Amino acid sequence: SAVISQKPSRDICQRGTSLTIQCQVDSQVTMMFWYRQQPGQSLTLIATANQGSEATYESGFVIDKFPISRPNLTFSTLTVSNMSPEDSSIYLCSVEDQNSSYEQYFGPGTRLTVT
Amino acid sequence: AQSVTQLDSHVSVSEGTPVLLRCNYSSSYSPSLFWYVQHPNKGLQLLLKYTSAATLVKGINGFEAEFKKSETSFHLTKPSAHMSDAAEYFCVLDNYGQNFVFGPGTRLSVLP
Repeated sequence: SAVISQKPSRDICQRGTSLTIQCQVDSQVTMMFWYRQQPGQSLTLIATANQGSEATYESGFVIDKFPISRPNLTFSTLTVSNMSPEDSSIYLCSVEDQNSSYEQYFGPGTRLTVT
Repeated sequence: AQSVTQLDSHVSVSEGTPVLLRCNYSSSYSPSLFWYVQHPNKGLQLLLKYTSAATLVKGINGFEAEFKKSETSFHLTKPSAHMSDAAEYFCVLDNYGQNFVFGPGTRLSVLP
């Protein structure tokens, strides 16, 4: 299994600012994913981040709003840009287990509140 | 397109009684399916997974699920609910091995 940490665990930000969320994994992984969980909702995939290539964004999410970096096989960042209250959510990163069929491990999440 | 339906947004049971959380899926191929649990203010934890081996899958904390292709279902059960089972449960389908499609979730309440 993989152990995933995220920073910060929570933050309160003002509208119009940006926040960068970090995701660190204790082992090398090929695929990392970023999800958003809006209040009382299920998880929605934002993008898939593979090391050495541009992130692949899902419908409804764009790079200008959610730029992602993936500098190596154990680390990724997600930036929430020009925030509005509608961006208040929990943001989670996950990784695919290389040794187990399609199983994913999730970080603890970053709880973002935009005022 | 791949999709997951969880028929009940909220299920309430008494402690010691059986739990049934329903999940149906739509997929153009034989998928892998998972159940994850999310306790309040905690991360997602994998309960169990189906990956084309045995159709009856046993997971942690006494949970199990049965994959029924003819019914496109993957319902989660537990013989006897415990207070600590109160949480949000997500049925999840893998999307061609690339990423996950989450169901809307079912909130399980356990009454004393």
